[in-house]
Amino acid sequence: EVQLVESGGVLVQPGRSMKLSCAASGFTFSSFPMAWVRQAPTKGLEWVATISTSGGSTYYRDSVKGRFTISRDNAKSTLYLQMDSLRSEDTATYYCTTRTMAPSWFAYWGQGTLVTVSS
Amino acid sequence: DIQMTQTPSSMPASLGERVTISCRASQGISNYLNWYQQKPDGTIKPLIYYTSNLQSGVPSRFSGSGSGTDYSLTISSLEPEDFAMYYCQQYDSSPDTFGAGTKLELK
Repeated sequence: EVQLVESGGVLVQPGRSMKLSCAASGFTFSSFPMAWVRQAPTKGLEWVATISTSGGSTYYRDSVKGRFTISRDNAKSTLYLQMDSLRSEDTATYYCTTRTMAPSWFAYWGQGTLVTVSS
Repeated sequence: DIQMTQTPSSMPASLGERVTISCRASQGISNYLNWYQQKPDGTIKPLIYYTSNLQSGVPSRFSGSGSGTDYSLTISSLEPEDFAMYYCQQYDSSPDTFGAGTKLELK
């Protein structure tokens, strides 16, 4: 059974940093591109970042470019999201997800971890 | 970015009813359109890919259709477990973008 378990979400002040982790199991982690998708309170889903299988290619939405860094450790089957210079608008539940190519979609999702940016 | 407009934002419906949720893209997306279901506990499940292809294990009461800028998700006869949020997502153009969601509520 595929499992994606996020951790690291907490309350943090604006301007500070935080790192999210996602532990994957039940599939060959190194074979799948991975992504983070977030959902602000009472809002819809918003893609944040994607990383290739090797980690050599990364993609970000404009609003997080230069502040967030997606990475992965295939030996540990773990996905990360380093978030710097956090803003109140980054407050959301962050979901770890597989970004498969065939079909091209977000195939498996974790339960999410809540990040609250507030003073 | 391509904007995805879902209608309605909420829909009261009864068990056994046939419902249709619409999703309109701000430009043509060549059928590169997926649908997801989100339960109240936050669990997200993919339902339909490339406009009309059902994910394995998804009941046949779910179907998708559309072309160009206009797409829809239809549930032919609502079951209790279908009351949830539904999101469309386009992947024709980067970045992937989602609709704002449709909340299917028990009438």
